[in-house]
Amino acid sequence: EPEVTQTPSHQVTQMGQEVILRCVPISNHLYFYWYRQILGQKVEFLVSFYNNEISEKSEIFDDQFSVERPDGSNFTLKIRSTKLEDSAMYFCASSAQDRGYKEQYFGPGTRLTVT
Amino acid sequence: DAKTTQPNSMESNEEEPVHLPCNHSTISGTDYIHWYRQLPSQGPEYVIHGLTSNVNNRMASLAIAEDRKSSTLILHRATLRDAAVYYCILRDAMDSNYQLIWGAGTKLIIKP
Repeated sequence: EPEVTQTPSHQVTQMGQEVILRCVPISNHLYFYWYRQILGQKVEFLVSFYNNEISEKSEIFDDQFSVERPDGSNFTLKIRSTKLEDSAMYFCASSAQDRGYKEQYFGPGTRLTVT
Repeated sequence: DAKTTQPNSMESNEEEPVHLPCNHSTISGTDYIHWYRQLPSQGPEYVIHGLTSNVNNRMASLAIAEDRKSSTLILHRATLRDAAVYYCILRDAMDSNYQLIWGAGTKLIIKP
């Protein structure tokens, strides 16, 4: 069964450093998403991406964040200058369509720890 | 997306059916009812979704009230592996709002 994969599973970085989180969505999906979940809190939407453009982003997704689809398979989330409050689980998801009746499939997540 | 209300937690015995309720009294005619779950230390996982009719798949069944103001996720025979947080989420089929809006969900505890 096709699945979304994410690397690394755990990333430790120092405050102020840049990090890139990587995702490989399901191969025939066209819509890609990043969510995050701070320990013990709700899952929060960050950004959606389609046709090499951001479709929607939340207030969390400020200028420190960027997304890219550098090739036909990878989807990346970059945080330019990490802060302590960026420590969280980051989940990538993909879906075949953007409509409300289509489900999203999630990866296992990357645990980001900023020290 | 309209709001949903779920109990904070539920307990069930292993190998018994589990009925997880969700209230969505302000649901619109084009809102789909989605269920996801999140096992401990894992990413969210799609479970099932429906619009008006009851739905079955290999993981669960979804029973939707006739007035659509509530729904119930049914796990027919719970196992320890079903212990997770279950989220009921409404998504408008006509909306270009891409994100899933997550509530607190229901924490399902399975007793051996």
